[in-house]
Amino acid sequence: QSVLTQPPSVSGAPGQRVTISCTGSSSNIGAGSDVHWYQQLPGTAPKLLIYANGNRPSGVPDRFFGSKSGTSASLALTGLQAEDEADYYCQSYDSSLSGVVFGGGTKLTVL
Amino acid sequence: QVQLQESGPGLVKPSGTLSLTCAVSGGSISSSDWWSWVRQPPGKGLEWIGEMYHSGSTKYNPSLKSRVTISVDKSKNQFSLRVTSVTAADTAVYYCAKRTHFYYMDVWGKGTTVTVSS
Repeated sequence: QSVLTQPPSVSGAPGQRVTISCTGSSSNIGAGSDVHWYQQLPGTAPKLLIYANGNRPSGVPDRFFGSKSGTSASLALTGLQAEDEADYYCQSYDSSLSGVVFGGGTKLTVL
Repeated sequence: QVQLQESGPGLVKPSGTLSLTCAVSGGSISSSDWWSWVRQPPGKGLEWIGEMYHSGSTKYNPSLKSRVTISVDKSKNQFSLRVTSVTAADTAVYYCAKRTHFYYMDVWGKGTTVTVSS
């Protein structure tokens, strides 16, 4: 049971828009902790996709958009492409656990 | 550009000790970042194990704290992970990562697979 809750899977057709939610609590996202997102392609290490709620590292396409509100955060992908098929994880800091927490991960399938 | 490389035995016997090292290149382990370990059991999600600062300060996942030690070797620019009393549940891909002071991990190693089996 992960501290941050994500849907196990989402899917969309090429060109469409999908969103992945990340629900936390008053000890992490709701306490003001930033949310970060990682993309993990099959057989590879996670890669930072979004940091501090909505910032993209250099090289990440602007098709990826992150937002945060209350005790939740969302990752939106627009103009879906086959290469976006991967697992996506949200991450934050939990003050009760005094450490890093991850969501359970969401598998994105491009139909 | 900082790069990380994990190394260590790929097979550990039950009740034994898992020991891994993460070599840091392209930067100093004495920077203002924290150095983390994350693992991923087969077919499952990411689990934060713990992290350390070059001063020796450490933070651990409460669920693993009693069995985990993270340490630093500044002379070799590397840090290490020890997990004692391992069971099959510790079988996973282990990643080392650099964690910024904003709490995101911007650099990851490629990961190393550790199997606990007799």
